[in-house]
Amino acid sequence: EPEVTQTPSHQVTQMGQEVILRCVPISNHLYFYWYRQILGQKVEFLVSFYNNEISEKSEIFDDQFSVERPDGSNFTLKIRSTKLEDSAMYFCASSGQGVGTITDTQYFGPGTRLTVL
Amino acid sequence: DAKTTQPPSMDCAEGRAANLPCNHSTISGNEYVYWYRQIHSQGPQYIIHGLKNNETNEMASLIITEDRKSSTLILPHATLRDTAVYYCIVRVGISSGSARQLTFGSGTQLTVLP
Repeated sequence: EPEVTQTPSHQVTQMGQEVILRCVPISNHLYFYWYRQILGQKVEFLVSFYNNEISEKSEIFDDQFSVERPDGSNFTLKIRSTKLEDSAMYFCASSGQGVGTITDTQYFGPGTRLTVL
Repeated sequence: DAKTTQPPSMDCAEGRAANLPCNHSTISGNEYVYWYRQIHSQGPQYIIHGLKNNETNEMASLIITEDRKSSTLILPHATLRDTAVYYCIVRVGISSGSARQLTFGSGTQLTVLP
């Protein structure tokens, strides 16, 4: 069964460093998302991406964050200068099997645990 | 998207049916009810969704009341591996090229007891 994959599973970085989290969405999906979950808190939406541009973004997704689909398979989240409060699980999701899709079931990857020291 | 209300926690005996309720009294006609679960900080896992009619798949059944103001997720024979946080989420479907977010609440922590 197709699934969303994410690498790395755990990333440790120093405050102020740049990190890139990688995701491979399900191959025929058209919509891509990033969410995060700080330990013990709710899953929060960060950004959605469709047709090579950002579709929606939350207040969390400030200028320190960027997303890219560099090729036909990868979807990346970059944090330019990490802060301690960026420590969280980051989940990638994908959905949408084409024009005319009525419902929009999102399938999530296993997550990347980001630890900022 | 409409707001949902779920009990914070429930217990269920292994092998018995787990019935997880969700209230969504402000749901609109074009909004679907989705259920996801999250097992111990893993990625949220899609379970089932529906609009008006009851739905069943290999994981669960979804019962939506006739007025659509509430629904129940049923796990027919709960196992220890079903222990997770279950999220009921209401959102519109898509008919154009917009990628709509899912808004997660606190969900229901289901604990399946041996």
